Amino acid sequence: DIQMTQSPSTLSASVGDRVTITCRASQSISSWLAWYQQKPGKAPKLLIYKASSLESGVPSRFSGSGSGTEFTLTISSLQPDDFATYYCQQYNNYPLTFGGGTKVEIK
Amino acid sequence: QITLKESGPTLVKPTQTLTLTCTFSGFSLSTSGVGVGWIRQPPGKALEWLALIYWNDDKRYSPSLRSRLTITKDTSKNQVVLTMTNMDPVDTATYYCAHRTSMAHVDYWGQGTLVTVSS
Repeated sequence: DIQMTQSPSTLSASVGDRVTITCRASQSISSWLAWYQQKPGKAPKLLIYKASSLESGVPSRFSGSGSGTEFTLTISSLQPDDFATYYCQQYNNYPLTFGGGTKVEIK
Repeated sequence: QITLKESGPTLVKPTQTLTLTCTFSGFSLSTSGVGVGWIRQPPGKALEWLALIYWNDDKRYSPSLRSRLTITKDTSKNQVVLTMTNMDPVDTATYYCAHRTSMAHVDYWGQGTLVTVSS
Protein backbone atom coordinates (compact mmCIF):
# COMPACT_ATOMS: atom_id res chain seq x y z
CA ASP A 1 0.00 0.00 0.00
CA ILE A 2 1.09 3.59 -0.62
CA GLN A 3 1.23 5.51 2.64
CA MET A 4 0.18 9.16 2.55
CA THR A 5 1.60 11.37 5.29
CA GLN A 6 0.19 14.83 5.87
CA SER A 7 1.77 17.59 7.89
CA PRO A 8 1.02 19.31 10.08
CA SER A 9 -1.86 17.41 11.67
CA THR A 10 -3.20 20.65 13.13
CA LEU A 11 -2.57 24.21 12.01
CA SER A 12 -3.65 27.38 13.79
CA ALA A 13 -4.01 30.38 11.54
CA SER A 14 -5.76 33.72 11.24
CA VAL A 15 -8.04 35.08 8.56
CA GLY A 16 -5.88 36.43 5.76
CA ASP A 17 -2.94 34.11 6.45
CA ARG A 18 -1.25 32.10 3.73
CA VAL A 19 -1.52 28.43 4.65
CA THR A 20 0.43 25.48 3.26
CA ILE A 21 -0.29 21.81 3.90
CA THR A 22 2.10 19.09 2.82
CA CYS A 23 1.34 15.55 1.71
CA ARG A 24 4.07 12.95 1.13
CA ALA A 25 3.62 9.61 -0.61
CA SER A 26 5.68 6.56 0.33
CA GLN A 27 6.39 6.00 -3.37
CA SER A 28 5.91 7.94 -6.55
CA ILE A 29 2.31 8.58 -7.55
CA SER A 30 3.10 10.85 -10.50
CA SER A 31 0.40 13.57 -10.28
CA TRP A 32 -2.44 11.30 -9.26
CA LEU A 33 -3.36 13.20 -6.13
CA ALA A 34 -6.53 14.90 -4.94
CA TRP A 35 -7.25 17.28 -2.08
CA TYR A 36 -10.53 17.37 -0.18
CA GLN A 37 -12.02 19.73 2.37
CA GLN A 38 -14.27 18.35 5.08
CA LYS A 39 -16.39 20.23 7.57
CA PRO A 40 -17.90 18.59 10.68
CA GLY A 41 -20.81 16.32 9.87
CA LYS A 42 -20.37 16.78 6.12
CA ALA A 43 -18.97 14.71 3.27
CA PRO A 44 -15.58 15.64 1.86
CA LYS A 45 -15.60 18.17 -0.96
CA LEU A 46 -13.18 17.93 -3.87
CA LEU A 47 -10.86 20.93 -4.16
CA ILE A 48 -7.94 19.87 -6.34
CA TYR A 49 -7.33 16.89 -8.62
CA LYS A 50 -4.35 15.68 -10.60
CA ALA A 51 -2.19 17.52 -8.05
CA SER A 52 -2.82 21.02 -9.38
CA SER A 53 -6.14 21.18 -11.25
CA LEU A 54 -8.76 23.30 -9.50
CA GLU A 55 -12.20 21.74 -9.35
CA SER A 56 -14.93 23.83 -10.94
CA GLY A 57 -16.49 26.26 -8.48
CA VAL A 58 -13.63 26.15 -5.99
CA PRO A 59 -12.21 29.59 -5.12
CA SER A 60 -8.93 30.47 -6.77
CA ARG A 61 -7.27 31.07 -3.39
CA PHE A 62 -6.84 27.28 -3.29
CA SER A 63 -3.95 25.85 -5.28
CA GLY A 64 -2.07 22.58 -5.43
CA SER A 65 1.41 21.68 -6.57
CA GLY A 66 3.87 18.81 -6.63
CA SER A 67 4.52 15.52 -8.33
CA GLY A 68 6.17 12.22 -7.52
CA THR A 69 6.13 11.95 -3.75
CA GLU A 70 5.72 15.50 -2.42
CA PHE A 71 2.67 17.69 -2.75
CA THR A 72 1.32 20.87 -1.26
CA LEU A 73 -2.06 22.51 -0.87
CA THR A 74 -1.91 26.28 -0.45
CA ILE A 75 -4.63 28.66 0.62
CA SER A 76 -3.39 32.10 -0.38
CA SER A 77 -5.55 34.12 2.01
CA LEU A 78 -7.45 32.13 4.60
CA GLN A 79 -11.16 32.94 4.80
CA PRO A 80 -13.60 32.16 7.64
CA ASP A 81 -15.23 29.45 5.50
CA ASP A 82 -11.87 27.66 5.12
CA PHE A 83 -11.61 26.46 8.72
CA ALA A 84 -12.00 22.72 8.18
CA THR A 85 -10.04 19.49 7.87
CA TYR A 86 -8.15 18.79 4.67
CA TYR A 87 -7.25 15.37 3.26
CA CYS A 88 -5.02 14.28 0.42
CA GLN A 89 -5.70 11.06 -1.48
CA GLN A 90 -3.61 9.16 -3.99
CA TYR A 91 -5.32 7.37 -6.88
CA ASN A 92 -2.26 6.04 -8.68
CA ASN A 93 -2.55 2.54 -7.21
CA TYR A 94 -5.00 0.34 -5.40
CA PRO A 95 -5.78 0.49 -2.58
CA LEU A 96 -6.69 4.15 -2.84
CA THR A 97 -5.25 5.76 0.28
CA PHE A 98 -5.83 8.97 2.20
CA GLY A 99 -3.60 11.08 4.35
CA GLY A 100 -4.37 11.43 8.04
CA GLY A 101 -5.83 14.89 7.65
CA THR A 102 -4.85 18.45 8.58
CA LYS A 103 -7.22 20.42 10.77
CA VAL A 104 -7.06 24.16 10.15
CA GLU A 105 -8.15 25.98 13.29
CA ILE A 106 -8.74 29.60 14.15
CA LYS A 107 -5.76 31.18 15.89
CA GLN B 1 -26.47 16.62 -11.68
CA ILE B 2 -24.83 13.67 -9.95
CA THR B 3 -26.16 12.67 -6.54
CA LEU B 4 -25.57 9.65 -4.35
CA LYS B 5 -27.31 8.59 -1.15
CA GLU B 6 -26.48 5.85 1.30
CA SER B 7 -29.08 3.80 3.15
CA GLY B 8 -28.98 0.98 5.64
CA PRO B 9 -29.14 0.21 9.34
CA THR B 10 -27.85 2.71 11.85
CA LEU B 11 -27.17 0.05 14.47
CA VAL B 12 -25.81 -3.47 14.06
CA LYS B 13 -24.72 -6.01 16.63
CA PRO B 14 -21.21 -7.49 16.79
CA THR B 15 -20.74 -10.48 14.44
CA GLN B 16 -23.70 -9.42 12.27
CA THR B 17 -23.46 -8.62 8.58
CA LEU B 18 -23.90 -5.02 7.45
CA THR B 19 -25.64 -4.31 4.16
CA LEU B 20 -25.49 -0.76 2.79
CA THR B 21 -27.13 0.49 -0.39
CA CYS B 22 -25.99 3.44 -2.48
CA THR B 23 -28.71 4.86 -4.72
CA PHE B 24 -27.48 7.32 -7.30
CA SER B 25 -28.73 9.55 -10.09
CA GLY B 26 -27.24 11.70 -12.80
CA PHE B 27 -25.08 8.96 -14.32
CA SER B 28 -25.29 5.31 -15.36
CA LEU B 29 -23.15 2.43 -14.15
CA SER B 30 -23.38 0.99 -17.65
CA THR B 31 -21.34 3.89 -19.04
CA SER B 32 -17.75 3.02 -19.86
CA GLY B 33 -15.30 4.13 -17.20
CA VAL B 34 -17.82 4.84 -14.45
CA GLY B 35 -17.35 3.45 -10.95
CA VAL B 36 -19.01 3.68 -7.56
CA GLY B 37 -17.17 3.01 -4.34
CA TRP B 38 -17.38 3.05 -0.57
CA ILE B 39 -15.26 4.98 1.90
CA ARG B 40 -15.66 5.08 5.67
CA GLN B 41 -14.63 7.38 8.50
CA PRO B 42 -14.63 6.38 12.17
CA PRO B 43 -15.67 9.21 14.49
CA GLY B 44 -12.87 11.76 14.74
CA LYS B 45 -10.58 9.77 12.46
CA ALA B 46 -9.37 9.78 8.88
CA LEU B 47 -11.00 8.46 5.73
CA GLU B 48 -10.51 4.85 4.68
CA TRP B 49 -11.26 3.50 1.20
CA LEU B 50 -13.14 0.18 1.20
CA ALA B 51 -14.22 -0.96 -2.26
CA LEU B 52 -15.06 0.08 -5.83
CA ILE B 53 -17.10 -1.44 -8.62
CA TYR B 54 -16.91 -0.37 -12.27
CA TRP B 55 -19.27 -0.38 -15.23
CA ASN B 56 -17.71 -3.63 -16.50
CA ASP B 57 -18.15 -5.35 -13.09
CA ASP B 58 -14.46 -4.98 -12.26
CA LYS B 59 -14.26 -4.94 -8.46
CA ARG B 60 -11.50 -3.63 -6.22
CA TYR B 61 -11.21 -4.07 -2.48
CA SER B 62 -9.12 -2.83 0.40
CA PRO B 63 -6.65 -5.66 1.05
CA SER B 64 -7.04 -5.33 4.80
CA LEU B 65 -10.82 -5.88 4.60
CA ARG B 66 -11.02 -8.00 1.46
CA SER B 67 -12.20 -11.14 3.23
CA ARG B 68 -15.17 -9.34 4.78
CA LEU B 69 -16.39 -7.19 1.87
CA THR B 70 -18.59 -7.80 -1.14
CA ILE B 71 -19.63 -5.08 -3.58
CA THR B 72 -22.33 -5.57 -6.21
CA LYS B 73 -24.29 -3.40 -8.60
CA ASP B 74 -27.81 -3.30 -9.98
CA THR B 75 -27.56 -1.12 -13.05
CA SER B 76 -31.31 -1.14 -13.69
CA LYS B 77 -31.99 0.25 -10.21
CA ASN B 78 -29.01 2.64 -10.15
CA GLN B 79 -27.79 1.01 -6.97
CA VAL B 80 -24.58 -0.36 -5.52
CA VAL B 81 -24.62 -2.60 -2.48
CA LEU B 82 -21.81 -3.20 0.01
CA THR B 83 -21.89 -6.04 2.47
CA MET B 84 -19.46 -6.34 5.35
CA THR B 85 -19.47 -9.49 7.45
CA ASN B 86 -18.55 -10.09 11.07
CA MET B 87 -19.04 -6.50 12.22
CA ASP B 88 -17.08 -5.30 15.25
CA PRO B 89 -17.31 -2.13 17.35
CA VAL B 90 -14.18 -0.84 15.58
CA ASP B 91 -16.25 -0.76 12.37
CA THR B 92 -18.37 2.03 13.84
CA ALA B 93 -18.08 4.79 11.26
CA THR B 94 -19.78 7.03 8.78
CA TYR B 95 -19.96 5.15 5.50
CA TYR B 96 -19.89 7.16 2.27
CA CYS B 97 -20.52 6.09 -1.28
CA ALA B 98 -18.80 8.01 -4.04
CA HIS B 99 -18.49 8.34 -7.81
CA ARG B 100 -15.30 7.83 -9.76
CA THR B 101 -14.31 7.38 -13.38
CA SER B 102 -11.47 5.05 -14.32
CA MET B 103 -8.00 6.36 -13.44
CA ALA B 104 -9.52 9.59 -12.11
CA HIS B 105 -10.23 11.08 -8.76
CA VAL B 106 -13.30 10.56 -6.59
CA ASP B 107 -15.43 13.55 -7.42
CA TYR B 108 -18.93 13.15 -6.00
CA TRP B 109 -19.80 11.90 -2.53
CA GLY B 110 -22.99 10.90 -0.80
CA GLN B 111 -23.97 12.53 2.47
CA GLY B 112 -22.81 9.51 4.47
CA THR B 113 -24.58 7.23 6.92
CA LEU B 114 -23.43 6.58 10.47
CA VAL B 115 -23.33 2.92 11.42
CA THR B 116 -22.82 2.02 15.07
CA VAL B 117 -21.76 -1.47 16.07
CA SER B 118 -22.89 -2.28 19.58
CA SER B 119 -24.63 -5.03 21.47
